[in-house]
Amino acid sequence: DAGVTQSPTHLIKTRGQQVTLRCSPKSGHDTVSWYQQALGQGPQFIFQYYEEEERQRGNFPDRFSGHQFPNYSSELNVNALLLGDSALYLCASSSGLSGRADNEQFFGPGTRLTVL
Amino acid sequence: AQRVTQPEKLLSVFKGAPVELKCNYSYSGSPELFWYVQYSRQRLQLLLRHISRESIKGFTADLNKGETSFHLKKPFAQEEDSAMYYCALSGPLVQGAQKLVFGQGTRLTINP
Repeated sequence: DAGVTQSPTHLIKTRGQQVTLRCSPKSGHDTVSWYQQALGQGPQFIFQYYEEEERQRGNFPDRFSGHQFPNYSSELNVNALLLGDSALYLCASSSGLSGRADNEQFFGPGTRLTVL
Repeated sequence: AQRVTQPEKLLSVFKGAPVELKCNYSYSGSPELFWYVQYSRQRLQLLLRHISRESIKGFTADLNKGETSFHLKKPFAQEEDSAMYYCALSGPLVQGAQKLVFGQGTRLTINP
C-alpha cells in the first residue's frame, strides 16, 4: 500500500490562473481532508469530503473548491490564484466520517504550489 | 475559537538531555490532542494522541486541562529525534466530521 498519494509533486502557476490538485486516499479509507501549509506555518484545514460531499470547511474563500469521486479520490481546485496561495497543499485520509482519535488521519507528501 | 500555540519555533538540546516541547491550546469543550512529527524528507505522521495515553519512541504527553497544555516530553533525547513537531487539536464535531487545528510547529535539533 503506497499510502496517500498526491499529484503533481510541484506546480508553478501565474496569478489569475486556475489549478487542480489530486489525492488518492490510503487503501480502505473513505474520508479525505485538505490542508494548506504556508512556509513556516502549521497546516491549516481547508475542507473535508465524505460520501462525495463537503462535510466541513475551514476559513478559506470560495475560490477553493473540491470534489470527491466514487472511488474516494479527491481534487482540490483553486481559481483566480493569488501570490498568497503559494504553499504546500496536504491531503489526509481517514476511515469513517470523522477524524476522531480512533480514526487517524494519514497524510500524503503534499503538492508544492508556487504562484508567480 | 480553537487555537494551538507552540511558543518555540526552534529547540536545540544535546543528545541524552531531556526534551520538552511546549503546546498550549484554546478550546471550549473536551479537546482531543495530538502530536504529529515530520522527519527530514518524510511525510507528516502521527506520533501520539492523548486519548491513547501511550509512549511512542520514548515520548509522552499529558493533557493538563487546568493549564490547557499538552507538552511533549522525552527523558533522554536521541539524534534520530531531530524533526519538526506539530501539536494539533481536534475540533468540534460538525456534521460528523472533525478537523485538525495545528500549531506552528517546533523544529527540534538534537546535537551530538
